[in-house]
Amino acid sequence: RKEVEQDPGPFNVPEGATVAFNCTYSNSASQSFFWYRQDCRKEPKLLMSVYSSGNEDGRFTAQLNRASQYISLLIRDSKLSDSATYLCVVKKNTGNQFYFGTGTSLTVIP
Amino acid sequence: EAGVVQSPRYKIIEKKQPVAFWCNPISGHNTLYWYRQNLGQGPELLIRYENEEAVDDSQLPKDRFSAERLKGVDSTLKIQPAELGDSAVYLCASSLDPPPSGKNIQYFGAGTRLSVL
Repeated sequence: RKEVEQDPGPFNVPEGATVAFNCTYSNSASQSFFWYRQDCRKEPKLLMSVYSSGNEDGRFTAQLNRASQYISLLIRDSKLSDSATYLCVVKKNTGNQFYFGTGTSLTVIP
Repeated sequence: EAGVVQSPRYKIIEKKQPVAFWCNPISGHNTLYWYRQNLGQGPELLIRYENEEAVDDSQLPKDRFSAERLKGVDSTLKIQPAELGDSAVYLCASSLDPPPSGKNIQYFGAGTRLSVL
């Protein structure tokens, strides 16, 4: 079983829509959680860390459910510039190894 | 401040040829990672260094891949000989561990896109 699993999509949504991505992780010892964004032919860049209590950054909201071992990312009022692949990343509480999901592809349509 | 620098950006070689990638991490970052990313997949770890020590190379195909991080700063990843299946993007990332505050964050270079013909 993979450490991190995501629905690869693609998600095609109109501008202004709200879209949510989920990600599950297999190791309950996982400690840190992140969402990275990767534009086509570019490197992954940190979008936001995910905190236990949930956190919000503008139109983006991240939540963590440790009991069910899943992480979510909610994007409100989608913009064309949000079109990208969103990577779910998990780090265990020992060592510095990060595990990446396959990414979820989002296209925001005018 | 400069980010993670990788070179070359693109490389096209014939199979069985050798190839090398270079990475210069963010200044002061002690942990360096090499990842391979295939189309439609997330990055997969090849090797992780803490300073000059390779602490996790379990996913590195050691029959043809090698890496080094002399002096604990920049690093090279080599493939010899390259195979068709090695075509991918090779990403380097670095982080500061333990982090000065908050969580570990990895910063990625732009990657080297390798095509093996």
